[in-house]
Amino acid sequence: GQNIDQPTEMTATEGAIVQINCTYQTSGFNGLFWYQQHAGEAPTFLSYNVLDGLEEKGRFSSFLSRSKGYSYLLLKELQMKDSASYLCAVTDSNYQLIWGAGTKLIIKP
Amino acid sequence: DAMVIQNPRYQVTQFGKPVTLSCSQTLNHNVMYWYQQKSSQAPKLLFHYYDKDFNNEADTPDNFQSRRPNTSFCFLDIRSPGLGDAAMYLCATSKTRDSSYEQYFGPGTRLTVT
Repeated sequence: GQNIDQPTEMTATEGAIVQINCTYQTSGFNGLFWYQQHAGEAPTFLSYNVLDGLEEKGRFSSFLSRSKGYSYLLLKELQMKDSASYLCAVTDSNYQLIWGAGTKLIIKP
Repeated sequence: DAMVIQNPRYQVTQFGKPVTLSCSQTLNHNVMYWYQQKSSQAPKLLFHYYDKDFNNEADTPDNFQSRRPNTSFCFLDIRSPGLGDAAMYLCATSKTRDSSYEQYFGPGTRLTVT
């Protein structure tokens, strides 16, 4: 079966760094994506990895290891507005987007 | 601005009373998706249209139907809503089927069933 695992909830302090991990088992792989979703709102696209390595975009970076079926999202200089759920998603061989349940990130002052 | 629009943002319906949610897009994308998302869960794909080609997920209940009369509009019909159908319903688009990762989401419709 297809499966994406990520922690249910994490807590971090404003100004700090947090890493959200994601592991996946899918039938085929055509890319891994991270979405941010604030409570009661739609997901918004954050990052996309299809090759191994680190992709950096401002305060956010995403890493992929295809051989390990593993990714992480790194958030630096945390701000209160970063409190949200972060969803990991993988496109399988049929180009269907398989979603994780999301990691709720709580930022404390 | 090009965007995905969902109406209404909040919908309350009675148990068993049919309800229709609407989605429109100005992106001229070929693919439109309907997702159901319950609290603290992953979005669950109900169906998607590739142009006029309708694709139903195997575990989508028969109670859910969809229509896409033209490129811009897509509707989700829930024929007899149950309490378990209360959720956020998300509409999304992608340019092509191969670019399904780059999905543009509407703001969602939160459905309450009383």
